[in-house]
Amino acid sequence: KNEVEQSPQNLTAQEGEFITINCSYSVGISALHWLQQHPGGGIVSLFMLSSGKKKHGRLIATINIQEKHSSLHITASHPRDSAVYICAARVRGSQGNLIFGKGTKLSVKP
Amino acid sequence: EAGVTQSPTHLIKTRGQQATLRCSPISGHTSVYWYQQALGLGLQFLLWYDEGEERNRGNFPPRFSGRQFPNYSSELNVNALELEDSALYLCASSPRNEQFFGPGTRLTVL
Repeated sequence: KNEVEQSPQNLTAQEGEFITINCSYSVGISALHWLQQHPGGGIVSLFMLSSGKKKHGRLIATINIQEKHSSLHITASHPRDSAVYICAARVRGSQGNLIFGKGTKLSVKP
Repeated sequence: EAGVTQSPTHLIKTRGQQATLRCSPISGHTSVYWYQQALGLGLQFLLWYDEGEERNRGNFPPRFSGRQFPNYSSELNVNALELEDSALYLCASSPRNEQFFGPGTRLTVL
């Protein structure tokens, strides 16, 4: 079993829909990252959080440390949100490296 | 502020050759991380350099090596290339915890 699990693996939505991507982890973490990867490979860091909730525009990330679970929400989804979303855990006490989920491929149809 | 840059964008090599990939971090960032994203395998941690020293390495053979220069730029060297080394290689720089990713180098081994 992977230490960081994401669901769903693939997600197709209609423009305007509310989207939720889930991430569960089995290790103690110091922080959890949400990343966005567009076709072509470039990665953008969306959020880094260790507790609670963060919001940036239409994106919201939440984390529940006790349940070892994080969610990424996209409100009023748009075709330009189509990308692979990856959660990554910074293991507590680790030497800085991240453990990645396998990603959720999101496709938003107009 | 300039982001993380990587060169070359694409690199084609044959089995047994050596590849050298380069990364320039964001100004002021002293840490550089290298990741491999092979097809179907997701992102995997390769190496972490900080202040010129290798701080940690992932589960990769010794033919994956690198260094960090006094200006904090970094090189990843892959010796005796194998077909399965074909992947997108991403570097990220960090001032402390959050990581900022470069666009990647796509290495193809024929």
